[in-house]
Amino acid sequence: NAGVTQTPKFQVLKTGQSMTLQCAQDMNHEYMSWYRQDPGMGLRLIHYSVGAGITDQGEVPNGYNVSRSTTEDFPLRLLSAAPSQTSVYFCASTPGGYPVETQYFGPGTRLLVL
Amino acid sequence: GIQVEQSPPDLILQEGANSTLRCNFSDSVNNLQWFHQNPWGQLINLFYIPSGTKQNGRLSATTVATERYSLLYISSSQTTDSGVYFCAVFTGGGNKLTFGTGTQLKVEL
Repeated sequence: NAGVTQTPKFQVLKTGQSMTLQCAQDMNHEYMSWYRQDPGMGLRLIHYSVGAGITDQGEVPNGYNVSRSTTEDFPLRLLSAAPSQTSVYFCASTPGGYPVETQYFGPGTRLLVL
Repeated sequence: GIQVEQSPPDLILQEGANSTLRCNFSDSVNNLQWFHQNPWGQLINLFYIPSGTKQNGRLSATTVATERYSLLYISSSQTTDSGVYFCAVFTGGGNKLTFGTGTQLKVEL
């Protein structure tokens, strides 16, 4: 299994540009999430999904859109990038259900917005 | 929302020393994970520990959910242990994680 994969690894955008960060997992996990990590801080939840077709907002959702058309993929869209979105973005997945289980994280995408 | 505090925020050790990292949380949680973020930014699962004690080599963790804290023990530290250690708690539906602010560990020769 490849686990959780993210593309691209690095990206530089200009203010106002749009882009999609890709996340895929091959573990047949129901739950997937996006987090951002700013310098010197822990990760904060942006959006999450408990299954295909179901998404919800996390702690810091503004400026981001998500959709979940398949179990495997959970892309994160920035419609109009802003410098405040400069961060490292992590995708995570977990089997879901109860009891809760370990979350597995991808390698991250480093985004710089100029 | 729930608050997750970690201490100490920074720690410098000589290789071979032992240390204890603490994670306090402000409310009941479904579960708790410890992560190591290496200097390259990769998040590595260390422990998934709702309660009790687990050990993996030189690392062990203890969670006392009723008293709302968890401890991570590192024994005989090595330079490869350097990085940031995060605890994160599961709250609510969707297995959402709330992270602490981390402990930055540097192990020197």
